[in-house]
Amino acid sequence: QVQLVQSGAEVKKSGASVKVSCKAFGYTFTNFYLHWVRQAPGQGLEWMGIVNPSGGTTTYAQRFQGRVTMTRDTSTSTVYMELRSLRSEDTAVYFCARRPTGYDYFDYWGQGTLVTVSS
Amino acid sequence: QSALTQPRSVSESPGQSVTISCTGASSDVGGYNFVSWYQQHPGQAPKVIIYDVNKRPSGVPDRFSASKSGNTASLTISGLQAEDEADYFCCSYAGTYTWVFGGGTKLTVL
Repeated sequence: QVQLVQSGAEVKKSGASVKVSCKAFGYTFTNFYLHWVRQAPGQGLEWMGIVNPSGGTTTYAQRFQGRVTMTRDTSTSTVYMELRSLRSEDTAVYFCARRPTGYDYFDYWGQGTLVTVSS
Repeated sequence: QSALTQPRSVSESPGQSVTISCTGASSDVGGYNFVSWYQQHPGQAPKVIIYDVNKRPSGVPDRFSASKSGNTASLTISGLQAEDEADYFCCSYAGTYTWVFGGGTKLTVL
């Protein structure tokens, strides 16, 4: 069955970088776009960007431009989200989510990865 | 890319109906019929309950319905049940391969 399995929790210092992975199971990896969405503690969801696993093209939310990079490895069916110059406001659970082809919603989500940024 | 506006919280009694609004702009909610709604229970990932403004994925009860008028989308839950108590988020396509979420609404079933 379809599963998105993310890497484990991370604790980082302010100014550092973090790289979160999302490994896909149960479907053809290159056929479905993957998004990254984050949720700060007690807060709402925030869309961060999208990656096309087939060609590797990406689009990022304006507020993360220059600080985020989303990549993919088709050999392992894994997408990555790297966020640099971390600050305390980046403390959040980071989710990957799949967009079904021909539709505009997120049908499967990863379990979430908690990233804690400490000063 | 400002977040869509949702009420912070709503509450209603079991068996009653509640409507949650989601207000955006002509560049997102008003410009596309690509509004989706997600239900999130504590500690879990969100789950889609509505897509394309008013379509329900298979398995979602027909107690969940939605609509859109201008720049505002709405989710209605009828026949409220205890398990409907959760956070609800709207999401809209915002053009050029970008998306925007609402701030979320906490539904309390009294």
